[in-house]
Amino acid sequence: DIQMTQSPSSLSASVGDRVTITCRASQGIRNSLAWYQQKPGKAPKVLLYDASSLESGVSSRFSGSGAGTEYSLTISSLQPEDSATYYCQQYYSVPLTFGGGTKVEIK
Amino acid sequence: QVQLVQSGAEVKKPGASVKVSCKASGYTFKNYGINWVRQAPGQGLEWMGWINADNGNTNFAQSLQGRVTMTTDTSTSTVYMELGNLGSDDTAVYYCARDSGSGIKRGVFWGQGTLVIVSS
Repeated sequence: DIQMTQSPSSLSASVGDRVTITCRASQGIRNSLAWYQQKPGKAPKVLLYDASSLESGVSSRFSGSGAGTEYSLTISSLQPEDSATYYCQQYYSVPLTFGGGTKVEIK
Repeated sequence: QVQLVQSGAEVKKPGASVKVSCKASGYTFKNYGINWVRQAPGQGLEWMGWINADNGNTNFAQSLQGRVTMTTDTSTSTVYMELGNLGSDDTAVYYCARDSGSGIKRGVFWGQGTLVIVSS
């Protein structure tokens, strides 16, 4: 199984800050990586796929990058509505696996 | 628009089974697969498995092998996930998520979730 290590597990930042979350895969996943946003009591919402492709309707302040085993999600200018938990997921091979999540709080 | 509507909350006793449904609409059912993902209270997301809605082929998480089955009813565009021999650690919200097609299993559209509580 491919292990996904996500960091940090939580962060607190101010409105307007640039925020970066990283995800490391235990082996290469050839950009088969998605990022999800989940708010309390809601289903996850996909933000990015194929490491850097923005899902339709998602704000352009979200971006993704990376290759091989190292990937990142960046929020260019943090907004109050971005308070949520973020997960990465590899879909390169079965079983699909998620990172442990990053809880983003607004200061 | 694509919609996945799941069945309602369930309370089960340890050792019992639960069957959760996921009714799809707004797309050609057989062209996509369905993932099942669960989330224990206060915990992260766990992928349970995937079913091809066209031919019924499945992939399961090793940890659930032998306890989980996934089936489809193409006449009603519904996918079912049944989990047997429930224990307290199966208490979770269970989500279905349609994949992106062409064999790429990432979840794109998600159901609203079904809470399953296992308690004596």
